[in-house]
Amino acid sequence: AQTVTQSQPEMSVQEAETVTLSCTYDTSESDYYLFWYKQPPSRQMILVIRQEAYKQQNATENRFSVNFQKAAKSFSLKISDSQLGDAAMYFCAYRAATGNQFYFGTGTSLTVIP
Amino acid sequence: GAVVSQHPSWVICKSGTSVKIECRSLDFQATTMFWYRQFPKQSLMLMATSNEGSKATYEQGVEKDKFLINHASLTLSTLTVTSAHPEDSSFYICSARFLLGTDTQYFGPGTRLTVL
Repeated sequence: AQTVTQSQPEMSVQEAETVTLSCTYDTSESDYYLFWYKQPPSRQMILVIRQEAYKQQNATENRFSVNFQKAAKSFSLKISDSQLGDAAMYFCAYRAATGNQFYFGTGTSLTVIP
Repeated sequence: GAVVSQHPSWVICKSGTSVKIECRSLDFQATTMFWYRQFPKQSLMLMATSNEGSKATYEQGVEKDKFLINHASLTLSTLTVTSAHPEDSSFYICSARFLLGTDTQYFGPGTRLTVL
């Protein structure tokens, strides 16, 4: 069974600094997708970034980038130049390429300190 | 990104009544929608996968007779909580699979259900 683990329940970062959120997963599939979703206090889930497992290049979206280590089954999210609006719960998610179901980690609550 | 709406955003009902929650994909057709439940400060728990024109697939432990799902069109799925009880109080989130382009899921804003 696929599992997604986020070992950091809470993280904090100073405004304008960089923070990295960790995520590991377990799967026997070779083709899959990985995602980071943000859930602010409004509780609307927002897609932050997406990575295809067959791509070696790490995905980037403006201040957000990932470090995808397929062999280690690791998928960390780096937030550069942190802003107050980045404060939220961040969920790592996995989906097999041939599947429908998303598997979510338990989330990391990020606090941004002014 | 694609837009998914949910209605209502919050609802309070008496124990024993039924509540219907709608999930709509506003600018794309979604053959597959998902219903999640989220308790405070916890992750999303998948309840069921809803496929247009067919019966929903429920996750283990989810009562299909209590949580009725109908996916009547490519843009609408509904979740009906029948004979609601206080323990059904939770935050319910739907998502829709967007097949084109990024082939990912987009989430609705959620519905907070409180059963008195």
